[in-house]
Amino acid sequence: DIQMTQSPSSLSASVGDRVTITCRASQGISKSLAWYQQKPEKAPKSLIYAASNLQSGVPSRFSGSGSGTDFTLTISSLQPEDFATYYCQQYNSYPITFGQGTRLEIK
Amino acid sequence: EVQLVESGGGLVQPGGSLRLSCAASGFTFSDHYMDWVRQAPGKGLEWVGRTRKKANDYTTEYAASVKGRFTISRDDSKNSLYLQMNSLKTEDTAVYYCVRVPATWAFDYWGQGTLVTVSS
Repeated sequence: DIQMTQSPSSLSASVGDRVTITCRASQGISKSLAWYQQKPEKAPKSLIYAASNLQSGVPSRFSGSGSGTDFTLTISSLQPEDFATYYCQQYNSYPITFGQGTRLEIK
Repeated sequence: EVQLVESGGGLVQPGGSLRLSCAASGFTFSDHYMDWVRQAPGKGLEWVGRTRKKANDYTTEYAASVKGRFTISRDDSKNSLYLQMNSLKTEDTAVYYCVRVPATWAFDYWGQGTLVTVSS
């Protein structure tokens, strides 16, 4: 199975900050990488697919990059509604696997 | 508007069975692979399995943790996805989400989830 490791596991930041979350795959997955946002007691929301493509309706302050084993999610200027938990996911091979999550909290 | 609405969750004893349903609307259900993802209380996301579409013979894939106990099926005439869960264990306690798989392969739409609690 491909292991997905996110860092950091938690992060404190302020509104307006630029934030970067990293996701590393245990083996190469090309660009088969997605990012999801989840708020407490809510279903996840899809943000990015194919490492760098925004899902429809996702604000442009979100961006993704990377290929192979190393990926990043960047939020250019944090908004109050961005405080949530973020998950990366590989869909290059079965079983589909997720990172453990990064909790983004208000400083 | 795409909608996925899960139902069928509840409390079940270890060793018991439960069948979850997901009603889909707002898109051509038969054109899509569909997955189940779960989340144990306070934990991260875990992929459960997938059903492909008719053109791919409705074949399925499962996570090792549920293979042989869970069965995913679909009824395209009813725009519905199902998850039959047998031999349930306490570690199967989770919110179960129905998700759509688009042509890009990453999930795009998620249901609101249904809670399954396995406890005596």
